Amino acid sequence: EDKVVQSPLSLVVHEGDTVTLNCSYEVTNFRSLLWYKQEKKAPTFLFMLTSSGIEKKSGRLSSILDKKELFSILNITATQTGDSAIYLCAVRHRDDKIIFGKGTRLHILP
Amino acid sequence: NAGVTQTPKFQVLKTGQSMTLQCAQDMNHNSMYWYRQDPGMGLRLIYYSASEGTTDKGEVPNGYNVSRLNKREFSLRLESAAPSQTSVYFCASSEALQLRISNEKLFFGSGTQLSVL
Repeated sequence: EDKVVQSPLSLVVHEGDTVTLNCSYEVTNFRSLLWYKQEKKAPTFLFMLTSSGIEKKSGRLSSILDKKELFSILNITATQTGDSAIYLCAVRHRDDKIIFGKGTRLHILP
Repeated sequence: NAGVTQTPKFQVLKTGQSMTLQCAQDMNHNSMYWYRQDPGMGLRLIYYSASEGTTDKGEVPNGYNVSRLNKREFSLRLESAAPSQTSVYFCASSEALQLRISNEKLFFGSGTQLSVL
């Protein structure tokens, strides 16, 4: 059965800290891995990863994929209170099916 | 610039009632999805449609039916609502595979908060 497992499920840190969020997966016919941020309602897109070892960066956020070990990490440096959110990892199959993990609930203390 | 439009935004049903959630996208996407989100559960895939005329079960299809009416619209129907279907429902769409990989991300609607009493 396909699985996407995120860890930790929740995390509380102080502003300025660096955090690493994990996503491991077991899926057949992997196509791509997606990271989303969810604050109030609908998730917003962060990254899409298809190739191993190539880091994607956007400001203080970065992500990398390891297709051999079947995991991805999302790093956030110099965290701010506005980074408080649920971070969702999803995997897309070659048949277009997209499944999500349970998410990591991140809370940044001022 | 509408993107993915879901209706209604809120709905309260009694156990046993039926209803249809509507979803339409104006981005000419081939793939469309229905998810539900319960507290602490992330997003769980109910059904998806990789192209017009096709639908496939996701992780939690029981109690739901879908219709891909045309390329733009993908509806979700609850035939006999149960309290366990109380959730937030999201519709999403995506560019088809192998067209433009940079557009393969999911675009989400704003969600429907459904309560079944």
